[in-house]
Amino acid sequence: EVQLVESGGGLVQPGGSLRLSCAASGFTFSNYAMTWVRQAPAKGLEWVSDISGGGDSTYYADSVKGRFTISRDHSKSTLFLQMNSLRADDTAVYYCAKVYGSGWYFFDYWGQGTLVTVSS
Amino acid sequence: EIVMTQSPVTLSVSPGERATLSCRASQSVNSNLAWYQQKPGQSPRLLIYGASTRATGIPARFSGSGSGTEFTLTISSLQSEDFAVYYCQQYSNWPLTFGGGTKVEIK
Repeated sequence: EVQLVESGGGLVQPGGSLRLSCAASGFTFSNYAMTWVRQAPAKGLEWVSDISGGGDSTYYADSVKGRFTISRDHSKSTLFLQMNSLRADDTAVYYCAKVYGSGWYFFDYWGQGTLVTVSS
Repeated sequence: EIVMTQSPVTLSVSPGERATLSCRASQSVNSNLAWYQQKPGQSPRLLIYGASTRATGIPARFSGSGSGTEFTLTISSLQSEDFAVYYCQQYSNWPLTFGGGTKVEIK
């Protein structure tokens, strides 16, 4: 059974940093691209970033480019999102999700999400 | 960036009736279109990919159609568990983009 468990969310001041983790199990982690999607309170879904299975290719939304860094650790089957220079509009539930397959960048499994609140 | 526009924003439907949700892309995405369902307090769930292929375990009352810029998600006979928000997502080009969602509520 595929499981994705996010952690690392919390309250942070504007300008601060936070690192999110997503522990994956139930599939061969290194074979699949992974993604982060966020959802601001009472808003829709926003794609944030994704990383290829090998970790050598990454993409970012313009809204986070230069501030967020996605990475992965195959030895721990864990996905990360390093978030720096956080702003109030980064407040959201952050979901990690598994990409279906190469060239098929939709998301077949999702974690439960972790809430990031940026506020002074 | 490809902008995805969903309509209507809210759809009021009685149980047992058909629901038809629309998703329009600002440029062609071919068939690179997925649909998700999200219930309150839950993570999104994949329903449809490739515009018309049901994901594993999705009931046959859910169907998707369209290609290019116009897409439709149809729920043939609404069950109580289908009242939720539905999102479309294009995966033709980066940045990957979602529609704003359609809330299907009980009439």
